[in-house]
Amino acid sequence: AQSVTQPDIHITVSEGASLELRCNYSYGATPYLFWYVQSPGQGLQLLLKYFSGDTLVQGIKGFEAEFKRSQSSFNLRKPSVHWSDAAEYFCAGDQTGANNLFFGTGTRLTVIP
Amino acid sequence: DAMVIQNPRYQVTQFGKPVTLSCSQTLNHNVMYWYQQKSSQAPKLLFHYYDKDFNNEADTPDNFQSRRPNTSFCFLDIRSPGLGDAAMYLCATSGWDRGLNTEAFFGQGTRLTVV
Repeated sequence: AQSVTQPDIHITVSEGASLELRCNYSYGATPYLFWYVQSPGQGLQLLLKYFSGDTLVQGIKGFEAEFKRSQSSFNLRKPSVHWSDAAEYFCAGDQTGANNLFFGTGTRLTVIP
Repeated sequence: DAMVIQNPRYQVTQFGKPVTLSCSQTLNHNVMYWYQQKSSQAPKLLFHYYDKDFNNEADTPDNFQSRRPNTSFCFLDIRSPGLGDAAMYLCATSGWDRGLNTEAFFGQGTRLTVV
């Protein structure tokens, strides 16, 4: 069955530190992969997406993600976290290309001064 | 500029009283989705419209219905809300750009409380 797994429920980092949020997928073939961010009480904002091609994907707000087929992973990274990055982050996959998104359970990011 | 607009942002309804949530879009996208997100959980797709074609997820309860009278608007009807239906409801749209489906654009959501 298709699935997306985010192993970390909650991560705390210091402002200015680097960040890596983990995402693993389980699909029959390489899915479309996405990272979304959600601030409290808000909708979802797309950070970046991977369809094919270059496995290092650049997104908005200084985020990037790397697709690694051998590890079935699509981890999100940011070299220096800002306090405004505190939010919930969702990894999502889509086998069909039709945005029938299957979301991971999310990782809550806390940023401390 | 808001492109996917959900009204209202907060909705309180009584147990068993029908309620309708609305979504509009200015993107002229042909696909519209409704997701349910319960507290501290991931969004879960309920159904989507591809143009006028309605596609229901297999595990979406019959209590949830949807209407799409035109390209711009889509409604989520909950016929008899139960306490378990309290959640954030997210509308999203996607379209086609040079033969590829765009990513999904989400509205800010409607938080439904059932009392």
